[in-house]
Formats: sequence, structure tokens, C-alpha cells
Amino acid sequence: AQKVTQAQTEISVVEKEDVTLDCVYETRDTTYYLFWYKQPPSGELVFLIRRNSFDEQNEISGRYSWNFQKSTSSFNFTITASQVVDSAVYFCALSGSKAAGNKLTFGGGTRVLVKP
Amino acid sequence: ETGVTQTPRHLVMGMTNKKSLKCEQHLGHNAMYWYKQSAKKPLELMFVYNFKEQTENNSVPSRFSPECPNSSHLFLHLHTLQPEDSALYLCASSQAISAGTGGNYTFGSGTRLTVV
Repeated sequence: AQKVTQAQTEISVVEKEDVTLDCVYETRDTTYYLFWYKQPPSGELVFLIRRNSFDEQNEISGRYSWNFQKSTSSFNFTITASQVVDSAVYFCALSGSKAAGNKLTFGGGTRVLVKP
Repeated sequence: ETGVTQTPRHLVMGMTNKKSLKCEQHLGHNAMYWYKQSAKKPLELMFVYNFKEQTENNSVPSRFSPECPNSSHLFLHLHTLQPEDSALYLCASSQAISAGTGGNYTFGSGTRLTVV
């Protein structure tokens, strides 16, 4: 069975502060994919990143960065110099092998509130 | 616009009503999904369709009835719902499950359903 845990339900920061969102996962698959999605107030889930389980390189995209640590089953997400537009709910998700049917298992989400 | 369009955006229905949610994508995807997002629960997978065939029903009550007439359209027919069914219903699409793309979904903006 797959499981994704986002221990932080809500984080409040002041603009320009950095914020790190934690994600811990469980899976028995040897090949899997990890995702982060952003859900703004409009409701849609916006894809941010997909990471293959064999690629442990950290990634940076603008103000976003991701730290994948297979040894601790974690895939944390950092927003640097946060902005008000970053206010949203962020979901970490896991997809297993092809045999698992391509299904995404989501964490409970972390609500980020960036205050001006 | 994400490429996945859901209508209506908002729906209020009585417990004896019958209504339908619609999802449409023109991304060339062959797998489509219904997810339920309640206030207090993680995103829950409801149904999966691959090449118009239902491949998963995640123990969803029969008052929810999906229909997938072709790979571009997905419906969720609702009848005799309960107030606890009030939630955001999200549709997603992806390449065919056999493509093994590891859950790389595109989500719609969702239908906010309120059952009174």
C-alpha cells in the first residue's frame, strides 16, 4: 500500500521568508514517481514537479526547490523568498509502478499563507 | 486553462435530485479519473477509466455513477446524494495507463458540489 504524509497542515509566513513543506512517503515499489501540485483558490491542481525514484538529484526551478532523500523517504519542497501569490494548498503525491495502474496517492496537503 | 474542462463549476442540489458533472479534455489522453476532495480528507480517487473502460471503482457508493462515452469525455451522474457528499469533485486525465507515465495527470478546476 502506498501512503503520503504531509505533517504540516498549515504554514503562515511573511512575504520574502522561505518556507519548507515536508513530505514523507511509503511504498513497496522499487520504481515510483513523486509529485508536487499547487492548488490555488480557483481549485485546479497545478503540476509543479515530477521526480523519478532513480533520480535523487535535487532540483531548482526559480524560487522553488526540491530535496529528494530516498534514505529517509522524503521529498521536501522549499519556496524561497515567498510571495503573496504563493498562497495556496500544496499537495505531495506518489505514483507507483505501471502494475499499480498509474494511480496517484495524495498527502493531506499543506496550506501556505503568505502575508504581505 | 489546463486543457481539462469541468462543468458546472458550482452545483447545489437537493437530496432527491439527479444531476450530472461533465469533464472534457482534448489533450489526446486516454485515461481519465474522478477524484473527491472533502474539507477534512485527502484527495480520494473514485473512478479510473482507461480507453473508455472502467478499470477502478474505489468502493464508491452506487449513488455515484460514472460514464465514459469516449476518451475525451467523462461524466459523473449523481442521484439521491447525501449532505456528506458535498465536496469538490476533480477530474483528471493522463496518457494511457499502459504508457507507464507514472501518474502525470492534468487536472480540471473541479465542480464544487453542495447537497442540501
